[in-house]
Amino acid sequence: AQKVTQAQTEISVVEKEDVTLDCVYETRDTTYYLFWYKQPPSGELVFLIRRNSFDEQNEISGRYSWNFQKSTSSFNFTITASQVVDSAVYFCALVPGTYKYIFGTGTRLKVLA
Amino acid sequence: DAGITQSPRHKVTETGTPVTLRCHQTENHRYMYWYRQDPGHGLRLIHYSYGVKDTDKGEVSDGYSVSRSKTEDFLLTLESATSSQTSVYFCAIIHRVYTQYFGPGTRLTVL
Repeated sequence: AQKVTQAQTEISVVEKEDVTLDCVYETRDTTYYLFWYKQPPSGELVFLIRRNSFDEQNEISGRYSWNFQKSTSSFNFTITASQVVDSAVYFCALVPGTYKYIFGTGTRLKVLA
Repeated sequence: DAGITQSPRHKVTETGTPVTLRCHQTENHRYMYWYRQDPGHGLRLIHYSYGVKDTDKGEVSDGYSVSRSKTEDFLLTLESATSSQTSVYFCAIIHRVYTQYFGPGTRLTVL
């Protein structure tokens, strides 16, 4: 079965707190890609990061970092020193060697001032 | 910006009427997708296309048909709209190594 689970439906934090969004995936394919997308209140879907299954290096981009662990089938997303502008719904997605994306149900992040 | 537009952006229609949504891209991308987004379900694939006249079903294709007669346009048709098809519809393309980029969305309300 191919599946993406984002168990956290909604998270609320106070500005400047760190927050981690969890993503757990299932696939039998050895080659696959993982993605994170952001959907701010305005509604557009914004690509954040792509990671392939052969690259387990963690990545940092400014206040954003991603932790990919094949051993636990997880691809977690951490925002350091959160800001109100980070408030959005975040989607994790899996592409298991086909061109069909499998999305999680999303995590709504609310950052309170 | 991957040059994707969707039309209309908003539509209200009545149950039983046909509806066609258009996705237009300007950069000759081979793969195009239609998704629907509903609360609690995330994004669900309706249909996708891997070339002109080449399409395949996604997980929620019942009640929807698609056509792609030229590279730049991917049409989604609801033959007879139902209230359960009230949703936000997103078109997407593949650009660079499996990466999807999305259009701005179409909000469809079926009364």
